[in-house]
Amino acid sequence: NAGVMQNPRHLVRRRGQEARLRCSPMKGHSHVYWYRQLPEEGLKFMVYLQKENIIDESGMPKERFSAEFPKEGPSILRIQQVVRGDSAAYFCASSPDKRTQHFGDGTRLSIL
Amino acid sequence: SQQGEEDPQALSIQEGENATMNCSYKTSINNLQWYRQNSGRGLVHLILIRSNEREKHSGRLRVTLDTSKKSSSLLITASRAADTASYFCATATIYAGGTSYGKLTFGQGTILTVHP
Repeated sequence: NAGVMQNPRHLVRRRGQEARLRCSPMKGHSHVYWYRQLPEEGLKFMVYLQKENIIDESGMPKERFSAEFPKEGPSILRIQQVVRGDSAAYFCASSPDKRTQHFGDGTRLSIL
Repeated sequence: SQQGEEDPQALSIQEGENATMNCSYKTSINNLQWYRQNSGRGLVHLILIRSNEREKHSGRLRVTLDTSKKSSSLLITASRAADTASYFCATATIYAGGTSYGKLTFGQGTILTVHP
């Protein structure tokens, strides 16, 4: 059973471009969480999704950020018109039961 | 101060010694979890302790939870160089109605360095 797969591992974008981060949860996991980690800090919750539904997006910036978890395919975190402050590591976690979360290795986003 | 604060921020010990990390939190919780993060990698789940439990063991790990003080500790016994990593506590909040849908609030982490 493969773990949580995130791609790309590293993503470089120029200011104003779009960033798309993908997360394939573990098989059988219907709960997906996205977190952001700034250097030297802990993870900050962004959004929680179940298949096709956003359950809690209280940690998402109101503008430019969106997330989806379609019936088929990976969960996508999309950042439009990126700015320098979006540079961070973005982690996805999946869970079968909303308790133990299994994390991917993250996508490190760098904005030039 | 924020939910899930760990102390110390950094801990440096020799192989074979024990390492103790503490975590404090503010809100009512459903459970508290400890994770390890190696440099450049994702988080690895170590142990979960429920709010009605006081102590839990897993191999060389021992976790305690004191809900009256809103604090937890992680003890790693007989540390190894491979234990070098950042350690985070995370709390799952209880919402009205007693539900928790797993949203985790992480502390800043403790950087543990174990010297061979």
